[in-house]
Amino acid sequence: DVKVTQSSRYLVKRTGEKVFLECVQDMDHENMFWYRQDPGLGLRLIYFSYDVKMKEKGDIPEGYSVSREKKERFSLILESASTNQTSMYLCASSLREQYFGPGTRLTVL
Amino acid sequence: QQQVKQSPQSLIVQKGGISIINCAYENTAFDYFPWYQQFPGKGPALLIAIRPDVSEKKEGRFTISFNKSAKQFSLHIMDSQPGDSATYFCAASSSGNTGKLIFGQGTTLQVKP
Repeated sequence: DVKVTQSSRYLVKRTGEKVFLECVQDMDHENMFWYRQDPGLGLRLIYFSYDVKMKEKGDIPEGYSVSREKKERFSLILESASTNQTSMYLCASSLREQYFGPGTRLTVL
Repeated sequence: QQQVKQSPQSLIVQKGGISIINCAYENTAFDYFPWYQQFPGKGPALLIAIRPDVSEKKEGRFTISFNKSAKQFSLHIMDSQPGDSATYFCAASSSGNTGKLIFGQGTTLQVKP
């Protein structure tokens, strides 16, 4: 079974803090993705990576950056967290089908 | 042209009824159409998927119907159960595009006992 794990289920941070969200997959997938999910807005792609050290912007990359130093790990970075980044963050990995992690619910106060 | 439009946004069905969720797309390069199911507090999980060389795929109570000429596909849940209450997302992708999926907006299904 594919397993995608995310470092935290719940996270509370202060405005202006630097936030790291970690995602690890165990199936040697080339592609990894970060989404945010907000009520009524569905799943919105922030960034994705199709190889180590390769990344591409998704639909809403502003305020975020990513890092992929190893194939199994894809990190989402909020350089300076703001209240409008309060959301559910989902990581996924894929060959073709995407497998999602359980999500991190981030609250920025 | 990259959008996938999903309807309805929410759906209430009685136990035993049929739930139907519809999606439409524009990009004729799409060749893979999965549906994801998401329970509260969980990540989405692949439910069923179809490719455009078939018009229907059935897995248990879940059926995807695909209309290539109309560029539409739909999920039918037969004999809907309270345990089917979840958010459902349709998606589409084209081969060779790094696995990137274009998701619909989601449908929240409530099945009443």
